[in-house]
Amino acid sequence: NAGVTQTPKFQVLKTGQSMTLQCAQDMNHEYMSWYRQDPGMGLRLIHYSVGAGITDQGEVPNGYNVSRSTTEDFPLRLLSAAPSQTSVYFCASRARKGSDGYTFGSGTRLTVV
Amino acid sequence: AQSVSQHNHHVILSEAASLELGCNYSYGGTVNLFWYVQYPGQHLQLLLKYFSGDPLVKGIKGFEAEFIKSKFSFNLRKPSVQWSDTAEYFCAVNDYNTDKLIFGTGTRLQVFP
Repeated sequence: NAGVTQTPKFQVLKTGQSMTLQCAQDMNHEYMSWYRQDPGMGLRLIHYSVGAGITDQGEVPNGYNVSRSTTEDFPLRLLSAAPSQTSVYFCASRARKGSDGYTFGSGTRLTVV
Repeated sequence: AQSVSQHNHHVILSEAASLELGCNYSYGGTVNLFWYVQYPGQHLQLLLKYFSGDPLVKGIKGFEAEFIKSKFSFNLRKPSVQWSDTAEYFCAVNDYNTDKLIFGTGTRLQVFP
């Protein structure tokens, strides 16, 4: 039981490049979310999903796309990376409404130069 | 929109001192409340949660929190901190209807021996 797995752990991009941050969970959780963590700003919700085929925007969705084609996977896409997207990204999942709190992945540290 | 405020940004304590970290939220609907801890270089771990019932909840490592609905508060407490409690602490509020989990900006706790 691996929990929430994020890849890669570290990534450096040039401005304008695109990439996908991967997130997978093996707990059959319905709910999945993406957060970015920046110093002094806590964790801010980017996008979230309450089940396969259903996604919605969080607090800071601009510049990011998501899809949820399976229960297990919730990739985050940066179509044209900008230096403002330099951050640590966390994926999290949760079983269902009213259940325990979210389980977090170990994070992806992204630097855009 | 819901929001979470953590008033203490940086707290410095000596071992054995008592701890109280403030958390206030703004949201009128049904909420679930959480405290997460992030040790240096690690991902977030759940400390404790409130869903319903007794407003005084106990978590791991001797932490507890009290939900005061009239004050929209969920303060974290520990009677006697240890050096190993040095970490960043995040309060989070989950909108029961949308299942959006929103975080405060965090409180950095440093405990000196």
